[in-house]
Amino acid sequence: GAVVSQHPSWVICKSGTSVKIECRSLDFQATTMFWYRQFPKQSLMLMATSNEGSKATYEQGVEKDKFLINHASLTLSTLTVTSAHPEDSSFYICSAQLAGDAYEQYFGPGTRLTVT
Amino acid sequence: AQSVAQPEDQVNVAEGNPLTVKCTYSVSGNPYLFWYVQYPNRGLQFLLKYITGDNLVKGSYGFEAEFNKSQTSFHLKKPSALVSDSALYFCAVRDGDSSYKLIFGSGTRLLVRP
Repeated sequence: GAVVSQHPSWVICKSGTSVKIECRSLDFQATTMFWYRQFPKQSLMLMATSNEGSKATYEQGVEKDKFLINHASLTLSTLTVTSAHPEDSSFYICSAQLAGDAYEQYFGPGTRLTVT
Repeated sequence: AQSVAQPEDQVNVAEGNPLTVKCTYSVSGNPYLFWYVQYPNRGLQFLLKYITGDNLVKGSYGFEAEFNKSQTSFHLKKPSALVSDSALYFCAVRDGDSSYKLIFGSGTRLLVRP
């Protein structure tokens, strides 16, 4: 149980285009989802916290107009990287918090974005 | 502010030997502590957590960790390492019930040689 999927697993896009990444909780409801970014050989950095039906809370230094987050249902959150640039190339990982479970986050497999 | 330190970038151990991956933390409230493992180009897999109770926590794949409040540490251990344990390990902390945010350490690469 408690499986989180991400789609796509990898994507290559051209500079200036937008890319949408989906995060789904497959077998549970997630009132809260988190988006992380991981650079090569570095740790995970929290980008934003997404609550179902409300606006996402962004961490300091993360451009909310560039990284659009939508949490439209209890099982789906999306991250859209708008007007992508090569420096946006990274590994993006989402996690989901089980509704009623205050402790654990379940992580998706990640999406590798390469902007050319 | 919350912080996590993993002082070793890499730990090398021979298969069959015990392993320890170190983690120290800083929070203002009660710490919720977690260990995750990451294989190349994959997301994080949960190993174990400490919320309250017994200081020795047992987790997946034979791993365990000991919560030491006085030393603010939560070191990951395994009595007998396997080559398949080679991966990137992350320690993470949450500041009790005051926040849902997980703060991750910088990660420690574990290399188990045959």
